[in-house]
Amino acid sequence: DARVTQTPRDKVTEMGQEVTMRCQPILGHNTVFWYRQTMMQGLELLAYFRNRAPLDDSGMPKDRFSAEMPDATLATLKIQPSEPRDSAVYFCASADASAGTGELFFGEGSRLTVL
Amino acid sequence: GQNIDQPTEMTATEGAIVQINCTYQTSGFNGLFWYQQHAGEAPTFLSYNVLDGLEEKGRFSSFLSRSKGYSYLLLKELQMKDSASYLCAVPSPGGYNKLIFGAGTRLAVHP
Repeated sequence: DARVTQTPRDKVTEMGQEVTMRCQPILGHNTVFWYRQTMMQGLELLAYFRNRAPLDDSGMPKDRFSAEMPDATLATLKIQPSEPRDSAVYFCASADASAGTGELFFGEGSRLTVL
Repeated sequence: GQNIDQPTEMTATEGAIVQINCTYQTSGFNGLFWYQQHAGEAPTFLSYNVLDGLEEKGRFSSFLSRSKGYSYLLLKELQMKDSASYLCAVPSPGGYNKLIFGAGTRLAVHP
């Protein structure tokens, strides 16, 4: 059963702390996305990788957010320092760019609460 | 850039038919997606339209008119489990998989 796996599922932290979220894309998928979802803004694209190379991170606050793909099986999103306004659900999604449908497969999300 | 509009909320009765509309503006068109998202869960793919017309898939159908920048998702024989948010999305120009999502339509199905 191929699926995108994210950890942690839930994280509560205090303002100023570092937060790292991890994602394992579906094996064979070469495109990985990080989205953030809030009630007010909906699903916003933060960053986007293809073949582990960052293609677009224009949706990400550069001063505190960073996204990397150390290898094909791991994508990370780091927030340092975290702020209350970062509270949201962070979704990782992966896709096979050669599949032709453009379909994204989402992980279950990491719910972040910054106090 | 892209602009996607959907109604915020809709209600419907079990067994009925509901149509969820989506209008979009994009500088380059590479298809339109519909995703379903139950509360507290991940979005899941429902449909993809790249040509004009109606695509039917069981109880769900999706329609596209490229000239009008308009799509709708039609849900028939509504069930309680269809209560969810329905997200319309279009690829960003230059990024085939890079989907830009609308705010979503929250559908509540009542007995």
